[in-house]
This record gives sequence, C-alpha cells and structure tokens, in this order.
Amino acid sequence: QLVLTQSPSASASLGASVKLTCTLSSGHRGYAIAWHQQQPEKGPRYLMKLNSDGSHSKGDGIPDRFSGSSSGAERYLTISSLQPEDEADYYCQSWATGIYVTFGGGTKLTVL
Amino acid sequence: EVQLLESGGGLVQPGGSLRLSCAASGFIFSSYAMSWVRQAPGKGLEWVSSISGTGGSTYYADSVRGRFTISRDNSRNTLYLQMNSLRVEDTALYYCTKGTAVSAYYFDFWGQGTLVTVSS
Repeated sequence: QLVLTQSPSASASLGASVKLTCTLSSGHRGYAIAWHQQQPEKGPRYLMKLNSDGSHSKGDGIPDRFSGSSSGAERYLTISSLQPEDEADYYCQSWATGIYVTFGGGTKLTVL
Repeated sequence: EVQLLESGGGLVQPGGSLRLSCAASGFIFSSYAMSWVRQAPGKGLEWVSSISGTGGSTYYADSVRGRFTISRDNSRNTLYLQMNSLRVEDTALYYCTKGTAVSAYYFDFWGQGTLVTVSS
C-alpha cells in the first residue's frame, strides 16, 4: 500500500529557506508525487509534480522560490526567501496502480 | 484559463442523497482525468473518487465505495458525484480536481469547493 509520510509541522524565519519532506513507503521509492499548498481559509493550489530523479514541472505562476528534489524514497519541497504568504499547509500526493490516490498528512509551515 | 466551479452542496440528513456538479472550462475536458477530493473541518485532504478522461474507468476510496458514484458528461464539460446513504462523517468541503493527463491522477488544478453538511 502506497503511504506518504510528512512531518506535522515546520518553521523557519522570514527570508530564510526551508525544506519539507515527503517519504514514500517501502516498495514505492520510484514514484512521482505532486506538492500542493493550502493557505489559511483557502483551497489547495498545485505547486509541482516531482519525479524520482528530481526533475519537476511547476504549476502556472509558481514562483522560482519553490523547487523540488528527490533522494531515494524522499521527496523534498524547498522554499527559499520565505515570505509571509508562504505560511500554509503543504501536502504531498501520489497515486498507484489499481488507482488509489493518497495524500500525506500535511505539514503546517510557520513563518517566524 | 482553467476554471473548475463546483455546486450542489448543502445540508442533508443522514441517509439522504446529494449530487455535486463541477463545471469545467479552459481545457479540453475529455482529455483529462478528473477527481473529487474532500476535506473535513480542521482535517487534511482525503481522496474520494476519480474518473478517466473517457469516463470508462472509475475509482473509489474504500470509505465511499458502494455509496458514491462518479460520472462525467464530456459534451457538457461537467463532472458529477452522486452521493447516497450519506453519513455524518461525509461532512466536508468537496473539491473538484483536474488530472495531468487522460489517465493520470496528479491534480494540477483545484476548484474552490462546495460544502456538504450531513446532520439531523
């Protein structure tokens, strides 16, 4: 069963960088994921699709401050030059053969 | 510009039914898989159901299988979710999402959501 694991919370200072992690379950380390951002009281927004080789394709209008990378079963979202509007919940998402879609539990990012 | 506009949410009693709709524009609707995702108050995102671009393949989360039915009308660029035998735990904001290809289920666009409340 495909499971995505995220830390519940993270924090970083305004203007700094932060790296969020999504870990794929055993047997699924070759899977791609998508990253989504949900600002307070808003609907989710697609950030990027991130492949196992670290290549990624970003959604429309996503700033260059957002980037993705991969290592083994880990998928990362790095946000540089943190802005107040980056304070949000971040979810990773993927899907598996037989088609079931799964989300990570989300990481709540606080910008200090 | 891609737009997804959900409608049909509301207050319903346990055991009741609702039909959600999602009007899509700005892309070739039949070329993309579509899905429903929900979010209970204060909780994370939960996948509900998906359908391929042709409508020939449908998929459901265990929590809704047998009670919910996803469908699409490619001539009207509209996605549907028929929800029967609703339970209190189905209370959530329901989002319509667009996939990245005809049979790919990464979600690259989201609607604004429609609220379903199941309560007596």
